[in-house]
Amino acid sequence: SQQGEEDPQALSIQEGENATMNCSYKTSINNLQWYRQNSGRGLVHLILIRSNEREKHSGRLRVTLDTSKKSSSLLITASRAADTASYFCATAPLGAAGNKLTFGGGTRVLVKP
Amino acid sequence: SAVISQKPSRDICQRGTSLTIQCQVDSQVTMMFWYRQQPGQSLTLIATANQGSEATYESGFVIDKFPISRPNLTFSTLTVSNMSPEDSSIYLCSVDTGRNTEAFFGQGTRLTVV
Repeated sequence: SQQGEEDPQALSIQEGENATMNCSYKTSINNLQWYRQNSGRGLVHLILIRSNEREKHSGRLRVTLDTSKKSSSLLITASRAADTASYFCATAPLGAAGNKLTFGGGTRVLVKP
Repeated sequence: SAVISQKPSRDICQRGTSLTIQCQVDSQVTMMFWYRQQPGQSLTLIATANQGSEATYESGFVIDKFPISRPNLTFSTLTVSNMSPEDSSIYLCSVDTGRNTEAFFGQGTRLTVV
């Protein structure tokens, strides 16, 4: 079953604006990962944040993690039309041998030129 | 990192038949996983493919329906057996390259059952 919930389910913004999406999960984790998927194709890894980290940056992406609230957020700054995609958070459970990921429901982002 | 080749990329199959999906990795990996993504939905883990032993299935998935092989550290197959239209989904394989590191995904197999 899906343990992660994402909100919003869909987001429509203008190019240049920021996009923020949130993820909540239920159990203790080793790490939380964010992925992008374009039009039902394969997943592209964006950022991994470990349970002992609170914030990470990668280019225009900023991820936060609050393990006390079991939540994470992904911020995309200065969005571009090419950022149009579905974004998923995924958690790797604490103590698991590997990336047995549980995915959130996803956020569909539309960036209008 | 890991480069994953997944075949076929898509297929249209008749109900009642079976399809085997292949996942080839360009390096030896410890962990390989299979996921399903139903239309408009998120990904759900089907099973962990164990090298040299039976796969470990998640709740709701059974070996008779989704037999998995993993003969070595770079290759795995997932078979979708006795297909029905409800099996129409994207199936993705995923691998780990290290502890507490990112997962890598193949491009997926888009299956349509008619």
